[in-house]
Amino acid sequence: GQQVMQIPQYQHVQEGEDFTTYCNSSTTLSNIQWYKQRPGGHPVFLIQLVKSGEVKKQKRLTFQFGEAKKNSSLHITATQTTDVGTYFCAGPEASGSARQLTFGSGTQLTVLP
Amino acid sequence: DGGITQSPKYLFRKEGQNVTLSCEQNLNHDAMYWYRQDPGQGLRLIYYSQIVNDFQKGDIAEGYSVSREKKESFPLTVTSAQKNPTAFYLCASTWAGNTIYFGEGSWLTVV
Repeated sequence: GQQVMQIPQYQHVQEGEDFTTYCNSSTTLSNIQWYKQRPGGHPVFLIQLVKSGEVKKQKRLTFQFGEAKKNSSLHITATQTTDVGTYFCAGPEASGSARQLTFGSGTQLTVLP
Repeated sequence: DGGITQSPKYLFRKEGQNVTLSCEQNLNHDAMYWYRQDPGQGLRLIYYSQIVNDFQKGDIAEGYSVSREKKESFPLTVTSAQKNPTAFYLCASTWAGNTIYFGEGSWLTVV
């Protein structure tokens, strides 16, 4: 079945440093979604990318969807303590049901003040 | 307010007991999901339902059961057959394969 891997699993950064997490799928995705889960909380939707090679920005966050629609990245510029949490990517297989999302294993970000 | 409500937030289960976690949504979403999350781990799909009276097994369905008698409700029963049920359980819903909305989760502990 479809597998979605994320690296790194953990990342500690000093406040103000940049951070990047990478997401790789074993199959082509119809879209990629990113979620953030704060410690003790539930995942919250951040963004969805649909087109091959698409890049979207949300303030200090930049999201990219690969040309082959099998990988994606999330980059945070100048991290802040409010960025702490686990970031998950998720996507439905291009050939499968749009409603069956497979989540990546997540990257847990710690920001040191 | 629209959203997904899970209850209870915390639940303790004795070994050998079945317990049911409630999930209700008023978003008029067709699809609903149950995920399990272990500490420091990702989300694993237990069951999902795309329409009323229909549901499919996810990656880790053994020891769990669900029903979907109403569009708004998708309860999850953790049976005694689930040997390691201690985890954080998340219910979610979506419409037409778009954004997934999650409930606040239920913490289940076996005592």
